[in-house]
Parts: sequence; C-alpha cells; structure tokens
Amino acid sequence: DTGVSQDPRHKITKRGQNVTFRCDPISEHNRLYWYRQTLGQGPEFLTYFQNEAQLEKSRLLSDRFSAERPKGSFSTLEIQRTEQGDSAMYLCASSLTPAADTQYFGPGTRLTVL
Amino acid sequence: GNSVTQMEGPVTLSEEAFLTINCTYTATGYPSLFWYVQYPGEGLQLLLKATKADDKGSNKGFEATYRKETTSFHLEKGSVQVSDSAVYFCALGPSGGSYIPTFGRGTSLIVHP
Repeated sequence: DTGVSQDPRHKITKRGQNVTFRCDPISEHNRLYWYRQTLGQGPEFLTYFQNEAQLEKSRLLSDRFSAERPKGSFSTLEIQRTEQGDSAMYLCASSLTPAADTQYFGPGTRLTVL
Repeated sequence: GNSVTQMEGPVTLSEEAFLTINCTYTATGYPSLFWYVQYPGEGLQLLLKATKADDKGSNKGFEATYRKETTSFHLEKGSVQVSDSAVYFCALGPSGGSYIPTFGRGTSLIVHP
C-alpha cells in the first residue's frame, strides 16, 4: 500500500491556460473523490467516481472543470481557461466500499494562477 | 443538504491541558462521522470515526462519541502534547442517497510547551 499520490505537487500557471492534475488512488479502492481546499476552509467536494463512472458532480463546479477516470484506476482533473479564483489546493481521496466511507487523502496539488 | 459546524480556531493550549473541539451537524439519514487531522505540510488523515449512534471512536488518546440526540461529535483529549498541533476537521460520510461527504472548515490547535 503506497497510499494516494498526486502529480504535480505544485503548479503555477497564467490566467487563461489549461492545467491537468493526476491522482493515483490506492490500488484496490474503487471510490475516488476530488476536492478543492482554500486557506482556512475544509475540503469542498468537486466530484466522485465509483470505478470509471462519474456518479456525482458538485453543482458549484464550473463547466471549465472536467474529470475522468478512464479505466477505473487513476483519475485526471482538468481546468480550462484558468482564473485567479481557481488558485487553491486540489485534493484527491480514495476509499474502499463498503468500509464505512473512510477516505485516504493524497498530499494535494497546489495551484497558483497568476 | 448536510452541513457541519466546528468551533472557530485557533485553539491555543499548554502541554498536558484538556482539549475539546466542538462539532455539530445536520444530516439527512444517519451518516458515519469522522475526525480527520492535517499536520503541517501533510495531507488529511483519519483520526477516528463512529458509524452509528452512541458509538465512541478513539485513537492516540483522542475520543469522540456519536450523539444523535444533540447531533454532535465533539473531539476530546485528556492531555495534549506539542505534537498534537495540527488542523482538525469534523466530517460526515455520505447519507440520504447522496455520495457527497461533508467537511467542516477545520479548527487549528496550537499546543505550547
């Protein structure tokens, strides 16, 4: 068990550019979550996958955000036409159903939009 | 929808003091309840959990009891250490047909020697 990994750990981009983040969950976990966390706040839910199916997406999520989990293993989160308000820590977590929903978090990707 | 309210921080204590961090919630159905901890520079990790009413979760000297009647899950520790300095998040698992977990905004704990 190597834990949840995320890449890159830090990303600095200019406004209007596209960025893509990757998450590798714990290998046998079939649930995968993406969150956004800003300073002084808790994780804010973005989207949820069970295997390769995206079952839930936050209504707050702009259509500039898209996520995939093509083979039910790793996942990518893409932000198109980034804005300064997108600057945040992006967290990925995985869990194994039906283990009472305990989530295992990655270290996060810190995005800075200039 | 579900929501979590945590006490404002930072909470500043001296080593060996008693700790309480309050957490109350509103929820549809009966979610599992969690405390996660985030040490400086690290990701969130599970501290303890409780899956049904009156369950007590415990780990590393921390405890919390699932109180359905008061919709609370307060975190306590009898004697804090400097190494407990971190941000603590109360969270609800998914419930009521939703897949969405809900986190509080976190409470920063600072323990002085």
